[in-house]
Amino acid sequence: VLTQSPATLSLSPGESATLSCRASQSISRYLAWYQQKPGQAPRLLIYEASNRATGIPARFSGSVSGTDFTLTISSLDPEDFGVFYCQQRSTWPLSFGQGTRLEIK
Amino acid sequence: QVQLVESGGGVVQPGGSLRLSCAASGFTFSRYGMHWVRQAPGKGLEWVAFVQPDGRDTNYVESVKGRFTISRDNSKKSLYLQMNSLRNEDTAVYFCARDLLLWELPEYYFDSWGQGTLVTVSS
Repeated sequence: VLTQSPATLSLSPGESATLSCRASQSISRYLAWYQQKPGQAPRLLIYEASNRATGIPARFSGSVSGTDFTLTISSLDPEDFGVFYCQQRSTWPLSFGQGTRLEIK
Repeated sequence: QVQLVESGGGVVQPGGSLRLSCAASGFTFSRYGMHWVRQAPGKGLEWVAFVQPDGRDTNYVESVKGRFTISRDNSKKSLYLQMNSLRNEDTAVYFCARDLLLWELPEYYFDSWGQGTLVTVSS
């Protein structure tokens, strides 16, 4: 089970965002992060905990400590709003966290 | 560029069937594993099914096992999801998604997505 926190985050442009995803058991580094904007499909941001996907800006970074995964968005851009999901590929079935909604003030 | 276009969604009664299709273009379809992921209205994402590049091996979330079948036709660059015995809780937007390919093996992450097709199960 993946548990994301906080449920909602409201920040201003230029601030940094820290999103958390905690796994209920060890999943090694087998975690990805996605961003989904309203009415759109999700977009892959980070895979294997810390690798940026193709075309993703360097302000998006991922890290892991044990079973605690973090997505950091430095210097928020107004376009960085949306719901962010983590996803594990350690075991079947593949599964997602419940999401964190990021609002830009 | 990579393009995935789903079709086949609609309104169906409980117990009914529906077949979703996903047309792929812009990449070598036969090299990639493919997934179906769904999202109930106002809810989060749920992975549904996966098929290996050659179509020989599949995986499903428990709630659809025995009811849904994922398949592909590499000659037509198409992915399918046959959905039988549909339930109200299957109502969702269904996305087809391409698996991330790094070293010629599936990575089980989703690096490209279609825009989705809505399936509504209701009497």
